[in-house]
Amino acid sequence: EVQLVESGGGLVQPGGSLRLSCAASGFTFSSYWMHWVRQAPGKGLVWVSRINSDGSSTSYADSVKGRFTISRDNAKNTLYLQMNSLRAEDTAVYYCARGVTYGDYFGKGTLVTVSS
Amino acid sequence: QSALTQPASVSGSPGQSITISCTGTSSDVGSYNLVSWYQQHPGKAPKLMIYEGSKRPSGVSNRFSGSKSGNTASLTISGLQAEDEADYYCCSYAGSSTYWVFGGGTKLTVL
Repeated sequence: EVQLVESGGGLVQPGGSLRLSCAASGFTFSSYWMHWVRQAPGKGLVWVSRINSDGSSTSYADSVKGRFTISRDNAKNTLYLQMNSLRAEDTAVYYCARGVTYGDYFGKGTLVTVSS
Repeated sequence: QSALTQPASVSGSPGQSITISCTGTSSDVGSYNLVSWYQQHPGKAPKLMIYEGSKRPSGVSNRFSGSKSGNTASLTISGLQAEDEADYYCCSYAGSSTYWVFGGGTKLTVL
């Protein structure tokens, strides 16, 4: 059974940093592209970033470019999102998702709250 | 890259059919047959319902179907059931810079 479990969310002050993790199991993690998608409270889904299967290629939404870094450790079956210079508008549930042109599995998400 | 346009809400009675539209541009929906649809119940993770425009993942009811014409994709749910009440999001592949662009979401109410 495919499982994606996010962790690392919490309350952080504006300008602070946080690293999210997504632990994958039930499939060959190193064979799949992965994405981060976020959802602000009461709002819709927004794509954040993606990484290819070996970690050699990444892309970011304009809203996070230069502040967020996606990475992966295929030996640990784990996806990461390093978030720096956090802003109030980054407050959201962050989901990891598997896939290239669509997400066939999403995790349950982890909540990031940016507030003083 | 702007979000795809969906109606904020639709409703229908049990047994009826409804259609949710998703309008993009020639840079996303119109350029690729790579629209996907997701169902999201409150507090839950998104669930893939349709991919590549009209394909259903294993386990998804055949009451769900997808189509596309030009820059507009559509999700049709036939034989509405109470458990279909949820938020629905369309998503299109949008190229190698902005990979996924989502619609704003549509709240389906089963009356």
